[in-house]
Amino acid sequence: AQKITQTQPGMFVQEKEAVTLDCTYDTSDQSYGLFWYKQPSSGEMIFLIYQGSYDEQNATEGRYSLNFQKARKSANLVISASQLGDSAMYFCAMKKWTNFGNEKLTFGTGTRLTIIP
Amino acid sequence: NAGVTQTPKFQVLKTGQSMTLQCAQDMNHNSMYWYRQDPGMGLRLIYYSASEGTTDKGEVPNGYNVSRLNKREFSLRLESAAPSQTSVYFCASDRSNQPQHFGDGTRLSIL
Repeated sequence: AQKITQTQPGMFVQEKEAVTLDCTYDTSDQSYGLFWYKQPSSGEMIFLIYQGSYDEQNATEGRYSLNFQKARKSANLVISASQLGDSAMYFCAMKKWTNFGNEKLTFGTGTRLTIIP
Repeated sequence: NAGVTQTPKFQVLKTGQSMTLQCAQDMNHNSMYWYRQDPGMGLRLIYYSASEGTTDKGEVPNGYNVSRLNKREFSLRLESAAPSQTSVYFCASDRSNQPQHFGDGTRLSIL
């Protein structure tokens, strides 16, 4: 079974500072994907970034990067130069990679990020 | 680029009423999912469909039924709504080894 742990229920960060949201995972699978989603107060789930377990380089998408440390089973999200619009709930999730069919996404409980002007 | 479309966006039901939540995706994804999100919690999987013609139970299937109508559409039915089913419902879709994409959600209140 897979498990995602997000230990920071809430964070307050000054605007323009960088922020790291923690995510650790537990799985016996060798091949899997790790994902981050943003949920603003309006409620939609927005896909931000993902990393495959065999990807050697950390994923980056604009101001978002995923700090993947496989031996530690961690997949932290780093947001550089935070903006007021980054205030939202952030979910870490993972899914087993397969050669056929598909697998379910397992979510963490989320971190509520508040950017302070 | 519609992505994943859910209808309705809001609904209020009385206990015992039935209704169907509709979901359609235009990304040619094989797999589709229904989640519920309760206040202050993450998403819990209700049912999923790995491919057209198949459906499987997720973590919290009791009180729900699903239909994978075709590759594009996956509906969720509440046969006899209960107050415990008050939640936000999300539909999502993906293909193998790719990120899931979500609809905007349906906010369902059961009185």
